[in-house]
Amino acid sequence: QVTLRESGPALVKPTQTLTLTCTFSGFSLSTSGMCVSWIRQPPGKALEWLALIDWDDDKYYSTSLKTRLTISKDTSKNQVVLTMTNMDPVDTATYYCARMASGSGRSNNFDYWGQGTLVTVSS
Amino acid sequence: EIVLTQSPATLSLSPGERATLSCRASQSVSSYLAWYQQKPGQAPRLLIYDASNRATGIPARFSGSGSGTDFTLTISSLEPEDFAVYYCQQRSNWPQYTFGQGTKLEIK
Repeated sequence: QVTLRESGPALVKPTQTLTLTCTFSGFSLSTSGMCVSWIRQPPGKALEWLALIDWDDDKYYSTSLKTRLTISKDTSKNQVVLTMTNMDPVDTATYYCARMASGSGRSNNFDYWGQGTLVTVSS
Repeated sequence: EIVLTQSPATLSLSPGERATLSCRASQSVSSYLAWYQQKPGQAPRLLIYDASNRATGIPARFSGSGSGTDFTLTISSLEPEDFAVYYCQQRSNWPQYTFGQGTKLEIK
């Protein structure tokens, strides 16, 4: 069974760098077609896609945030890490990691999600 | 960026009624549109992908239709557990995925 879990600090100060880890099980990021994304949701607001890493270690970022984001994976540990630099109070949100299974016969959408981790940016 | 506009913002219905939620794209997304359900304090759950395909384990009362710029999520007969926020999401402009602003389905 597929599970994902986000971990990281609940509180960061403005200008600091946020590092979040997604630990998953039930699939391998070395399997063709497997991808993990980060998606965030400010309190009471809509979802925003941030970044994606695929089985081939290709990385993709939101155009509006790409200068601040870095995504990486450790296949042996079943982990994906997201860093976001220069944090601001507007970055306060619940951050989710989600799996995507891409390719023919698959949903090509975010079919499994972690429970999310709330990150507050405040001095 | 492809903008998805959902309507209405809030829909008030009673259990047993039929719900129709809309999502309009700022440009064609072909059939590359998905729907998610989110309950308070929970992560979103994939309901429909590629406009009309139900995800694994999703009840048959949920159906999706549309193509191009106009899409609809229909819940044929509302169950108490269906009251939640629903989001549409496009993958046409891969990998710049975007979500709609959501429709809150509340109990009347």
